[in-house]
Parts: sequence; structure tokens; C-alpha cells
Amino acid sequence: DTAVSQTPKYLVTQMGNDKSIKCEQNLGHDTMYWYKQDSKKFLKIMFSYNNKELIINETVPNRFSPKSPDKAHLNLHINSLELGDSAVYFCASSHRLEYGGTDTQYFGPGTRLTVL
Amino acid sequence: KNEVEQSPQNLTAQEGEFITINCSYSVGISALHWLQQHPGGGIVSLFMLSSGKKKHGRLIATINIQEKHSSLHITASHPRDSAVYICAVTLAGTASKLTFGTGTRLQVTL
Repeated sequence: DTAVSQTPKYLVTQMGNDKSIKCEQNLGHDTMYWYKQDSKKFLKIMFSYNNKELIINETVPNRFSPKSPDKAHLNLHINSLELGDSAVYFCASSHRLEYGGTDTQYFGPGTRLTVL
Repeated sequence: KNEVEQSPQNLTAQEGEFITINCSYSVGISALHWLQQHPGGGIVSLFMLSSGKKKHGRLIATINIQEKHSSLHITASHPRDSAVYICAVTLAGTASKLTFGTGTRLQVTL
């Protein structure tokens, strides 16, 4: 029933570990996103995929690698976790409009990552 | 300076009051979005608009493209409206990229 789902909801791990967050949408959207919300609650785009093709890749350390096996899934893998990676990570999806803009975005519940 | 500025940062209102949250942006956009983030953390898209005005229930969003300004109004506010309201814009020519304001924390009391 859930439109955009993320797993896990909470992730607590040690510095230096590698972890993945999974995202799935059942809305038939062609575009998916990863956002990071820092401790001050500021949201920032990290990546976006359209039909499995990377279309937005913001200034993010290359320890972060997104992977889109199909249009309905966008996973985020993080290598060598650092303290500063602690944040809430949101996945979202939307239709991409003909002129290139985005339609309404639907957000997942978020994954709270804590690096100790 | 952030490309998207919101005011006020924090707002406390009594139940029933009319509330206005403002958003100004300094860049060309293709659309503006208003989002609501509940205390539990979930984010919901309220409106997407590129001109004029939209209404949904007690919520009204307006945009003035010439003045690069948008407002979100809540009529007959209720404690369940307590949340963080976030303005975001799709920059012109940037595919699907959203740039966010810092949010307005609204607390509605009885």
C-alpha cells in the first residue's frame, strides 16, 4: 500500500563501516531522488535518476554511490562512513514533465542514520 | 545567501488564527513547491505551482513570478497544522532539481 518505502528506518553504525539504504516506489514514477536532511533540518538534493539514468549528481563525496536496478528502485550505498554522514536520508519519486521540470514529489518516511 | 528564503523562521499562533508564511527566491524557476514536515518526520507535498493561486481545504498558496515571491496561507488554523513548512523551487533548466528554503516551524496552540 505504501507509495514510497525506505529500509531501514533507523541505522546505527560505527565509523568506517559500509551501509546501504533501499528505496522502492509503487507509483509508476520514472524519476527518483535521494535527499539529505542535516541536524538543522535543511534538505539538500544528492542524486536523481530518470529511467535508471543518473540526471542529478550534486557535490557529494564519492563514498556515496546510488544504484537504480529498475525504475521502481533507487538504493544508496555509503562506504567508509564518517561522523558527518549522520543525518536523515529521504527518498522521493515523481513523474518528469515534458519540459524537463518535476511534477509533485512523493517522499519516503526517511532513514535516520547515526554514525558513532 | 540561500537562493530560497523563508519568513518567519518560527511562528506561534492560537487556534483559529489566519496564518501566512512567506517565501522569496532569487533565481529563475520553473515551479515552486510547498511541503509540510510533520513532527514525526514525514514530508508531504502540499502544492506545486508556477503561477497564480491554488487552494486545498484550508490551505491556499499564491505565487507572484515578477516579484519572485510566494505565500502559504492557512485559514482557521488548528493544532494539527503544527509542523515545519518548507518552500522549494525547481530552478529553471535544472531538470528535476529542488532547492529548499530553511523551513518555517509553526506551532498552533489551543
